[in-house]
Amino acid sequence: GENVEQHPSTLSVQEGDSAVIKCTYSDSASNYFPWYKQELGKGPQLIIDIRSNVGEKKDQRIAVTLNKTAKHFSLHITETQPEDSAVYFCAASRGGSARQLTFGSGTQLTVLP
Amino acid sequence: ETGVTQTPRHLVMGMTNKKSLKCEQHLGHNAMYWYKQSAKKPLELMFVYNFKEQTENNSVPSRFSPECPNSSHLFLHLHTLQPEDSALYLCASSQTSGVPDTQYFGPGTRLTVL
Repeated sequence: GENVEQHPSTLSVQEGDSAVIKCTYSDSASNYFPWYKQELGKGPQLIIDIRSNVGEKKDQRIAVTLNKTAKHFSLHITETQPEDSAVYFCAASRGGSARQLTFGSGTQLTVLP
Repeated sequence: ETGVTQTPRHLVMGMTNKKSLKCEQHLGHNAMYWYKQSAKKPLELMFVYNFKEQTENNSVPSRFSPECPNSSHLFLHLHTLQPEDSALYLCASSQTSGVPDTQYFGPGTRLTVL
């Protein structure tokens, strides 16, 4: 089955700096890669996703890149703000009628004011 | 709010109790999921229902029993649990036809087994 590894497990940055979280996956048939943000006491919320037919996607301060050859994808957050502090999860799926997501172990991002 | 609600938000139960977790989605989706989230571990998929039919059971012990009476409601019945079952149980839903089919999560039920 699919295996997703996520690094780093913790990340601290100064407000205004950029943050990068990286994930690798094992199943070359995976074609959907979402990123979720989980704040304390809440469920994970989708912040951005990418499909295997594109290499990069941006949404304001958030961007995701995908390298299918190397089987890795990354989340980039620019101009970080204290409200970006949360746990971020990457996931991968090979599709199907009900997508079964395999999640990474999460990254605790702390943005220091 | 994501359109997925879960009750109760917190639950403490003994190992001999029977309880149920409830999930409801107001998004018109046709697939629903149960996940287990333990500290410092990736989210673990437990069950998948697609159009009320269970399509996946990821080797979950029989002390967890899911029920999906319709596409909007999902239950997880619990009995004779173990302390290691203490975790955050998350429900999610998605639309499996068309693109995108993002999974939307509820806030979870924090379960403590004494």
